[in-house]
Amino acid sequence: ETGVTQTPRHLVMGMTNKKSLKCEQHLGHNAMYWYKQSAKKPLELMFVYNFKEQTENNSVPSRFSPECPNSSHLFLHLHTLQPEDSALYLCASSFTDRDYGYTFGSGTRLTVV
Amino acid sequence: AQSVTQLDSHVSVSEGTPVLLRCNYSSSYSPSLFWYVQHPNKGLQLLLKYTSAATLVKGINGFEAEFKKSETSFHLTKPSAHMSDAAEYFCVVSMVQGAQKLVFGQGTRLTINP
Repeated sequence: ETGVTQTPRHLVMGMTNKKSLKCEQHLGHNAMYWYKQSAKKPLELMFVYNFKEQTENNSVPSRFSPECPNSSHLFLHLHTLQPEDSALYLCASSFTDRDYGYTFGSGTRLTVV
Repeated sequence: AQSVTQLDSHVSVSEGTPVLLRCNYSSSYSPSLFWYVQHPNKGLQLLLKYTSAATLVKGINGFEAEFKKSETSFHLTKPSAHMSDAAEYFCVVSMVQGAQKLVFGQGTRLTINP
């Protein structure tokens, strides 16, 4: 375990479903991130939260809706997804004021059918 | 703007031989640089980081990397490959701008032959 826990590990959903991904960290970090990792493509930053405030939305479609109720928890709400949204979704956390890098969770493997 | 280029998409070595994974970066100021490893169906694990201290950085599992400013490189090496090293490796440069942002390379898949 890295200290960043993501649930569920695997998710299969239909295009009309609504589901949520959850990320939790107890490392005392104050920034949290969602990344998308698709086959044959580099990691894509989706959202950044700094002290619970969203500071970055990297042109992500509105069918992805993030929520950060506190510095330890991050959610990604999903609705009316497309098959091309199938990917590994990675959560990460970090300090904002030191270059220690990120700590990543193990990811949620999402398949949209 | 920062960017990072991993020069090989796939590297294959025999067990017990040296590993070299190449990375070049572009940064308008002194960067922080990282190497991450990702095993199949796993998240990313930090191998090592350079943050303007010693230019030769030692990481976990016997890996090390050398920061060469004149060559804008941060290559990852290991003297002797082990089967468990087979994974995807990412070179990363840090942009510190509010919440820090990491810029990832495309990744290098390392295959270890018995």
